Amino acid sequence: DIQMTQSPSSLSASVGDRVTITCQASQDINNYLNWYQQKPGEAPKLLIYDASNLETGVPSRFSGSGSGTDFTFTINSLQPEDIATYYCQQYDNLWITFGQGTRLEIK
Amino acid sequence: QLQLHESGPGLVKPSETLSLTCTVSGGSISSLSFYWGWIRQPPGKGLEWIGTVFYSGSTYYNPSLDSRVTISVDTSKNHFSLKLSSVTAADTAVYYCARLYSSGWTAPTVYYFDSWGQGTLVAVSS
Repeated sequence: DIQMTQSPSSLSASVGDRVTITCQASQDINNYLNWYQQKPGEAPKLLIYDASNLETGVPSRFSGSGSGTDFTFTINSLQPEDIATYYCQQYDNLWITFGQGTRLEIK
Repeated sequence: QLQLHESGPGLVKPSETLSLTCTVSGGSISSLSFYWGWIRQPPGKGLEWIGTVFYSGSTYYNPSLDSRVTISVDTSKNHFSLKLSSVTAADTAVYYCARLYSSGWTAPTVYYFDSWGQGTLVAVSS
């Protein structure tokens, strides 16, 4: 199984800040990495696919980068509506693993 | 507009089998571009992939649940189902069904969950 180590598990930032979350795979997964946002009481929502591609309709302040084993998710200029938990997710063909999640709060 | 809706009992007794159905509307479950998956989330915890099915019936399961999981598809009813046997309290969770997009048969193939149901809470308790 491919394990995903996501960090930090939680973070607090101010409106307008740049926020960075990392995800590390236990083995090389090329670009096979997606990022999701989950707000309380809601289903997850796709933000970034294939490591760096922005899903249609997602604001451009969200971005992703990385390949191989190390990946980064960034929110430029944090907005109040970005309060949520963020998950990375890898796919090794059709075997899927999620990271543990990062809970983002506003200071 | 694609919609997915989970249905099934909200309470299951320990050692019994959890059964859920995901009904797909606004799109065909027989599309070559999509797989269909189940993901769960215990209260206050993270997401766990359970398994995925293609319209042909091909299945892929989380190795940690493989011995207890069966996912099936009924193209005539445009729905797919989850059965999880021998449940314990640790199986208490919100269960989501979701559509998994596939970019095709030529590598590298991209996969991502692009549409989700609202989720249904299943509690395991006597």
